[in-house]
Amino acid sequence: VQLVQSGGDLVHPGGSLTLSCAASGFTVATNHMNWVRQAPGKGLEWVSVIYAGGSTLYADSVKGRFTISRDTSSNTLYLQMDSLRGGDTAVYYCARQKYGEFGDNWFDPWGQGALVTVSS
Amino acid sequence: DIQTTQSPSSLSASVGDRVTITCRASQSVHNYLNWYQQKPGKAPKLLIYVASTLQTAVPSRFSGSGSGTDFTLTINGLQPEDLATYYCHQTYTSPGTFGQGTKVEIK
Repeated sequence: VQLVQSGGDLVHPGGSLTLSCAASGFTVATNHMNWVRQAPGKGLEWVSVIYAGGSTLYADSVKGRFTISRDTSSNTLYLQMDSLRGGDTAVYYCARQKYGEFGDNWFDPWGQGALVTVSS
Repeated sequence: DIQTTQSPSSLSASVGDRVTITCRASQSVHNYLNWYQQKPGKAPKLLIYVASTLQTAVPSRFSGSGSGTDFTLTINGLQPEDLATYYCHQTYTSPGTFGQGTKVEIK
């Protein structure tokens, strides 16, 4: 069970970038999948979730600019990021939200992270 | 939104010491509280879930306790490889919220 990320890059302000997160050992489409980011020297900030049923949720800081999606054929999670700003500079992690018997839940596993730098 | 506050924000301890990190939620999260370990330059790794359940392969010197609003992560016998930042994470509400992290350094 693992997540392998790709797509991090240097982008100009106002630009776009798509991150990928390929899963193995489990099915992305039947799990709640999240993106979490970490700005340089800072803590963890939740970004977005796509639920198994397909509905999505975003942090206020990225709403209207980021889009989370998944592809069942490739078992991959995506984060499309548009209108990027300096404040979006961070390492982005994907993570599966795993559930226990009583609705308790936790993030495991995590991808290795992808660095997105927004700078001119 | 439920806020989660960790203390201390950093600590320095010697090898073999007992280390305690606390996490307080702004309202009850029952036992929907997880702990992650993030070593420098690495992704976070699940350490403890549902307040006190040790993830597979995590050394038994780590333990978690608490319920409601107050939780504790304890390292009994700190080891050099425990140098890391530790985050609590409540998932009673969706999406959950992370604590601000506690950086553990070795004296």
